[in-house]
Amino acid sequence: GAGVSQSPSNKVTEKGKDVELRCDPISGHTALYWYRQSLGQGLEFLIYFQGNSAPDKSGLPSDRFSAERTGGSVSTLTIQRTQQEDSAVYLCASSLEWDRAFSNSPLHFGNGTRLTVT
Amino acid sequence: DAKTTQPTSMDCAEGRAANLPCNHSTISGNEYVYWYRQIHSQGPQYIIHGLKNNETNEMASLIITEDRKSSTLILPHATLRDTAVYYCIVRVAHAVIQGAQKLVFGQGTRLTINP
Repeated sequence: GAGVSQSPSNKVTEKGKDVELRCDPISGHTALYWYRQSLGQGLEFLIYFQGNSAPDKSGLPSDRFSAERTGGSVSTLTIQRTQQEDSAVYLCASSLEWDRAFSNSPLHFGNGTRLTVT
Repeated sequence: DAKTTQPTSMDCAEGRAANLPCNHSTISGNEYVYWYRQIHSQGPQYIIHGLKNNETNEMASLIITEDRKSSTLILPHATLRDTAVYYCIVRVAHAVIQGAQKLVFGQGTRLTINP
């Protein structure tokens, strides 16, 4: 597709279960980002990938959160032992590679996965 | 990190120009100003970005002051579909890893277009 694709669009899970969220970036985009947005709040940065490596994991809220990216394309965000406070919309974005200076490449977002932990 | 300040909310009449201000007084020389908007239940949508010069595309115009401490996003002929939260963002460079950058979102401006 032309844009960033995320699946599932909605996920309801019971507290304590593990969940996996998937992101398909725009073809050719080497940078990939995960954000989350709680109800009525702004976007919170989670993790960033350049290729398959994650140089910035500073936003992951706890060790229950992990993410991987394979083949420089698809990424999965895994939340283990989900808690009710994990309920949010999880957004993925991708962008082109940039040069050594400050980036001139916009991020393009998917429509997110709405996670509800009951 | 350069931070931005935006009004919490604004109203504009349909068909008129919507002018959304943003202050970024601590912006550094090579940081870009980006604008995104978010319509309910959707991911943020890229609008426009700029460094020093004014920019225009099919969606909007971006006016950056000469000292780069503020900017204005202009939607020339606002429609009801432009009702959204508009985010003004300065692209932050990672403190340790050159080129590793992320967008830091504030609370944005909730723009309501009235018929």
